[in-house]
Amino acid sequence: AQSVTQLDSQVPVFEEAPVELRCNYSSSVSVYLFWYVQYPNQGLQLLLKYLSGSTLVKGINGFEAEFNKSQTSFHLRKPSVHISDTAEYFCAVSGPGGGADGLTFGKGTHLIIQP
Amino acid sequence: GAVVSQHPSRVICKSGTSVKIECRSLDFQATTMFWYRQFPKQSLMLMATSNEGSKATYEQGVEKDKFLINHASLTLSTLTVTSAHPEDSSFYICSARDQEGSGANVLTFGAGSRLTVL
Repeated sequence: AQSVTQLDSQVPVFEEAPVELRCNYSSSVSVYLFWYVQYPNQGLQLLLKYLSGSTLVKGINGFEAEFNKSQTSFHLRKPSVHISDTAEYFCAVSGPGGGADGLTFGKGTHLIIQP
Repeated sequence: GAVVSQHPSRVICKSGTSVKIECRSLDFQATTMFWYRQFPKQSLMLMATSNEGSKATYEQGVEKDKFLINHASLTLSTLTVTSAHPEDSSFYICSARDQEGSGANVLTFGAGSRLTVL
């Protein structure tokens, strides 16, 4: 079984400042890791994913994340945020079956961009 | 890219009635679809895995007789909330996996369906 911990339920950041949203996971098997964004009353949009290869993955909207196996982390970063980045961000993990398994989600982090 | 369509986006019904939510993969085939439930300001909880041509697999604590899932084709799964009650009010989101290619390990999500039971 896997679990995901998003340490911050809410992160306020000023516009154009950098941001890091933290995510830690636990699993007894190798995993795939994902970050999704959810805008109000909408479904989830994939930001980026780590399946294998380079531990630094780049996604859409200027986001990137780094997979750190020793620390079991997959923190999401953006060097300069915009008002439009205000949303709920979910970290998720799946087992080695990849998309064949349902994803396990963290509780989400609400990113609030302040002007 | 892969697109999943969910319908209706919003539905309001009276207590005791049944509501059907459809989830369609528009440009790919999905042998497996997943149904999630999301309470306000909370994470997504996996309800069940919908398998084309066979019975759905429900997560522990999910009533299979209340949440009927049918996956009749490779592009359509339906979730029927039977005899709905106010506590069933929630945001229901489906997702599907493209069987082939680079999308095989990525789930695509529908836009969600907000159910309000009066």
